[in-house]
Amino acid sequence: GAVVSQHPSRVICKSGTSVKIECRSLDFQATTMFWYRQFPKQSLMLMATSNEGSKATYEQGVEKDKFLINHASLTLSTLTVTSAHPEDSSFYICSARGRGWTDTQYFGPGTRLTVL
Amino acid sequence: QKEVEQNSGPLSVPEGAIASLNCTYSDRGSQSFFWYRQYSGKSPELIMFIYSNGDKEDGRFTAQLNKASQYVSLLIRDSQPSDSATYLCAVKSGGSYIPTFGRGTSLIVHP
Repeated sequence: GAVVSQHPSRVICKSGTSVKIECRSLDFQATTMFWYRQFPKQSLMLMATSNEGSKATYEQGVEKDKFLINHASLTLSTLTVTSAHPEDSSFYICSARGRGWTDTQYFGPGTRLTVL
Repeated sequence: QKEVEQNSGPLSVPEGAIASLNCTYSDRGSQSFFWYRQYSGKSPELIMFIYSNGDKEDGRFTAQLNKASQYVSLLIRDSQPSDSATYLCAVKSGGSYIPTFGRGTSLIVHP
């Protein structure tokens, strides 16, 4: 299957700082990338969908000014958590879908964010 | 509001037994159904997908779909301790390219 990487895998930061998470498709062109958040023992919650070259579409309740998403190329999307607070601590997972793929999406390994 | 329901478990089965995981969904327009496995601290990985009513087998895994009753299940034969994980059900309607995930069922296979 296709490979999606995420960096960093784990980050600890102080409250009020910003954190950038990168998601890369390594062997295919990702026309669409999805960003999810998962709290312990909870399901995946879709935060936003981004298509290459266009603005991200955010799910209801997700603050677009706090979670900045950039999908600048067909292999890279970034999520920046601005002014992070302890309640933003979570597991952030991206997934990617290639051109013409209707159902298949491949998940990255996830990023564990801890805000102190 | 599209909902996907799963029993959170944990479901505990002995090694070698059949594990049966169930999922119900609310949207009758759903057309694509997925099962993901998620180990603790890891991201989900796709195990199977099914589109049509009936059974679909892949190795030790069988997905069963009943659209009339709006449920989809996953059977794991000859369960192994390495199958211990959380299994996420995901459902996608024909008008959307974004699946809705259930909360997952925790499976424990004990030796």
